Amino acid sequence: DTAVSQTPKYLVTQMGNDKSIKCEQNLGHDTMYWYKQDSKKFLKIMFSYNNKELIINETVPNRFSPKSPDKAHLNLHINSLELGDSAVYFCASSFRDRDIGELFFGEGSRLTVL
Amino acid sequence: RKEVEQDPGPFNVPEGATVAFNCTYSNSASQSFFWYRQDCRKEPKLLMSVYSSGNEDGRFTAQLNRASQYISLLIRDSKLSDSATYLCVVPNQAGTALIFGKGTTLSVSS
Repeated sequence: DTAVSQTPKYLVTQMGNDKSIKCEQNLGHDTMYWYKQDSKKFLKIMFSYNNKELIINETVPNRFSPKSPDKAHLNLHINSLELGDSAVYFCASSFRDRDIGELFFGEGSRLTVL
Repeated sequence: RKEVEQDPGPFNVPEGATVAFNCTYSNSASQSFFWYRQDCRKEPKLLMSVYSSGNEDGRFTAQLNRASQYISLLIRDSKLSDSATYLCVVPNQAGTALIFGKGTTLSVSS
């Protein structure tokens, strides 16, 4: 069983399109995250949800909208895709109040915008 | 000072070598620190946690110097399988997420 699973793993699309990435975790964690890793391999926090409540919203264009239907799922919708959105998007999960240092990451969703 | 800074490398070493990576952090209130490992085209995974002055796990030793706000990772007797990017990680000021350094790339050759 995959602990944190993301779909799709690869996504190639044209500028201006809208796309979504889904994430699910079966670890019973209460907190989920989206991180973006750009072409320079820099891994940067985008959003964090704790029990469906948004707790971190970094400086991210409002074209990016996260949605958490329940604490096991955190999806990311991106409107009007731009070239600079090309990156690997990692979903992760953890327990908020114990051992915040141990994040479990999904395998990543590699987005290429043409 | 940036939140987390690392020497990006790459570090190219032969098998059996000892190699050390350094990391500095800006939040003097941080109580916990972490090293993650990321293989090429894979997700990051936790390698070690550091809560006091240091931690040792087999060939890997992490040390913390709070006065200098400096963390190090020492790898002894390097193996080919140690080739990866090593990420220095600290919690953000609110303790609600992890901030990752840009990583140090290690390449071990035979």
